[in-house]
Amino acid sequence: NAGVTQTPKFQVLKTGQSMTLQCAQDMNHNSMYWYRQDPGMGLRLIYYSASEGTTDKGEVPNGYNVSRLNKREFSLRLESAAPSQTSVYFCASHSGLYETDTQYFGPGTRLTVL
Amino acid sequence: AQSVTQLGSHVSVSEGALVLLRCNYSSSVPPYLFWYVQYPNQGLQLLLKYTSAATLVKGINGFEAEFKKSETSFHLTKPSAHMSDAAEYFCAVRKSGTSYGKLTFGQGTILTVHP
Repeated sequence: NAGVTQTPKFQVLKTGQSMTLQCAQDMNHNSMYWYRQDPGMGLRLIYYSASEGTTDKGEVPNGYNVSRLNKREFSLRLESAAPSQTSVYFCASHSGLYETDTQYFGPGTRLTVL
Repeated sequence: AQSVTQLGSHVSVSEGALVLLRCNYSSSVPPYLFWYVQYPNQGLQLLLKYTSAATLVKGINGFEAEFKKSETSFHLTKPSAHMSDAAEYFCAVRKSGTSYGKLTFGQGTILTVHP
C-alpha cells in the first residue's frame, strides 16, 4: 500500500517548456487535489477532482491544467512554464465520503523554472 | 469563506520545553480542524484532527490540541519538545457541510528545537 505517489521528484525546466506532473493513489479514494507550496504561504489549492470525471479550479489555477485519467490518477500540466511556477507541488487524496476523513499527501515534486 | 491564521512563522524552543503553536480560524459554520507536520523534504503527515467528538484531541508523537469555540482557536501543544519535533507545522480548516474534503491551510510555523 504505497498511498499517494508522485513523479518526478525533481524537475528543472526552462521558461516556456511544458511538463506533466503525475499522481496516483491506491486507497480507492474519490477525491484528489493538487497544491503548490511556497515559503510563507502555506499550501494553496490549484485544482481538485471531486470524483472520477470531474475537475474544478481551486485558489490558483492560472497557468495549469489537470486531467483525472481514472479513479487512481490525477495529472497536472504546465503548458508554458514560467519562473513564477517554481514551487513544490503536492498531490493529495481524500475518500470523498466523509468530511471528517483525512486527506493524504504525496511526497511532492520540486520544480524549478529558469 | 473560512480561513486560518497561524501566529508566528518561526518558533524556537529548547529540548524538554513546552511547545505551543497557535492557530486561529474563521468560519461561518462549525469547522473541522487539522494539524499536519512536514519534515524536511517530505510530504505532509496528519498529526491530529478535530471532528466535534471531543474538544481536546490527542495526536501522534505526544501532541495534542484543544478546540476553543469562544476563542476560535485550535492551538497545538506538546509538554516536552524533542529534537525530532523540528519540522514545519500546518493548521488547516474544512468547513462542515462542504463536499469533497477541501482544506484551507495556514501559512505554516517552523519549529526549531535547540539542545
